[in-house]
Amino acid sequence: DIVMTQSPDSLAVSLGERATINCKSSQSVLYSSNNENYLAWYQQKPGQPPKLLIYWASTRESGVPDRFSGSGSGTDFTLTISSLQAEDVAVYYCQQYYSTPLTFGPGTKVDIK
Amino acid sequence: EVQLVESGGGLVKPGGSLKLSCAASGFTFSDAWMSWVRQAPGKGLEWVGRIKSITDGGTTEYAAPVKGRFTISRDDSKNTLYVQMNSLKTEDTAVYYCTKYGGAFDIWGQGTMVTVSS
Repeated sequence: DIVMTQSPDSLAVSLGERATINCKSSQSVLYSSNNENYLAWYQQKPGQPPKLLIYWASTRESGVPDRFSGSGSGTDFTLTISSLQAEDVAVYYCQQYYSTPLTFGPGTKVDIK
Repeated sequence: EVQLVESGGGLVKPGGSLKLSCAASGFTFSDAWMSWVRQAPGKGLEWVGRIKSITDGGTTEYAAPVKGRFTISRDDSKNTLYVQMNSLKTEDTAVYYCTKYGGAFDIWGQGTMVTVSS
């Protein structure tokens, strides 16, 4: 099984400042035949289901604000919120879909400082 | 509108059974690979299993904790996904989400709560 880890567990950022979340997979999720990283990011607000933000490690889902960006390849990935807004307070999860069992990171809670 | 609506959750005793349903609309359900993902109270997300489209074989895969106890199925004529949960354990207590698997999980239902307790 591919184990996903995230850091930090939580962070507090001032409004308008940058938030950076890291995700690491225990083995590469880069599929060599199509050069795609099978890595997604989700946002979950309290009482709501998760929402897909980023897939293929860096492709923004339709309707997601461009302050959200994903980067990385292989085993190391980053979700960046370039200018934190109040509505971005949530838990963020990374997830690999390279192989089953599909696995999620433990989540990173983002709050306002 | 693209939508997934789960139903069937509730309180069940350990060792009992429950069947969840997920009604899909707004997309071609028969072409979709579908999954169940659960979230225990205050915890993170856990993949339960998935079913491929019939045209891709209709096969299922499960996470280790539920393999042999849960069965995922689909009725494309009703645009509905199911999970039959048997031999339930207290650790199966969670919100169960139905998701469309388009590589990543791009559509989620609101979830249905399953509580396993005596």
